[in-house]
Amino acid sequence: EAGVAQSPRYKIIEKRQSVAFWCNPISGHATLYWYQQILGQGPKLLIQFQNNGVVDDSQLPKDRFSAERLKGVDSTLKIQPAKLEDSAVYLCASSLSSSGSLPGELFFGEGSRLTVL
Amino acid sequence: AQKITQTQPGMFVQEKEAVTLDCTYDTSDQSYGLFWYKQPSSGEMIFLIYQGSYDEQNATEGRYSLNFQKARKSANLVISASQLGDSAMYFCAMRGSKGTGNQFYFGTGTSLTVIP
Repeated sequence: EAGVAQSPRYKIIEKRQSVAFWCNPISGHATLYWYQQILGQGPKLLIQFQNNGVVDDSQLPKDRFSAERLKGVDSTLKIQPAKLEDSAVYLCASSLSSSGSLPGELFFGEGSRLTVL
Repeated sequence: AQKITQTQPGMFVQEKEAVTLDCTYDTSDQSYGLFWYKQPSSGEMIFLIYQGSYDEQNATEGRYSLNFQKARKSANLVISASQLGDSAMYFCAMRGSKGTGNQFYFGTGTSLTVIP
């Protein structure tokens, strides 16, 4: 079974430029998450999708970050314009179960490392 | 609001010894799940173990066990017989329920170093 795919793995941009990250979750996983992990910290939830609807985007800086999950499969996270403090690893994760008693552990991609200069 | 607290930024353990990594949580949900993930220096997040809030037995997975004390809201990870490959960041996480989906929240992590 293929895992969560993310691209690009690495991206270096100047501040005020834009960047987009792509994620393809595990087939059949209804729930998709984007996390931001700053060096030395735990992952911070940016946005959660259930199929193609947003469940939680309360911590997404909406003035510069946007995300979409068209057709309930792939997802794209965009930052425009980027700031220095956006330097982080952006982790995409997916989960099979949406609620109930199943564990619903997250399966993570390898992450996209962003450096903003 | 959900909150996960890991109070040990760094831990050291001798190879072959056991180590306990602390995790406390706060939630108003009745049904929730607790998870531990390992993140080696390569960066991938590896799922280790899961405990449901209604599970009466502590979860075990090989050398990993979860010491679940519901009344104290703690979910400590115990690694037995530590190996050099256990050196990594360890994150405690909680899946709550809000609306129709699962919200996963992570703690700040504990860096474990296994000493030969």
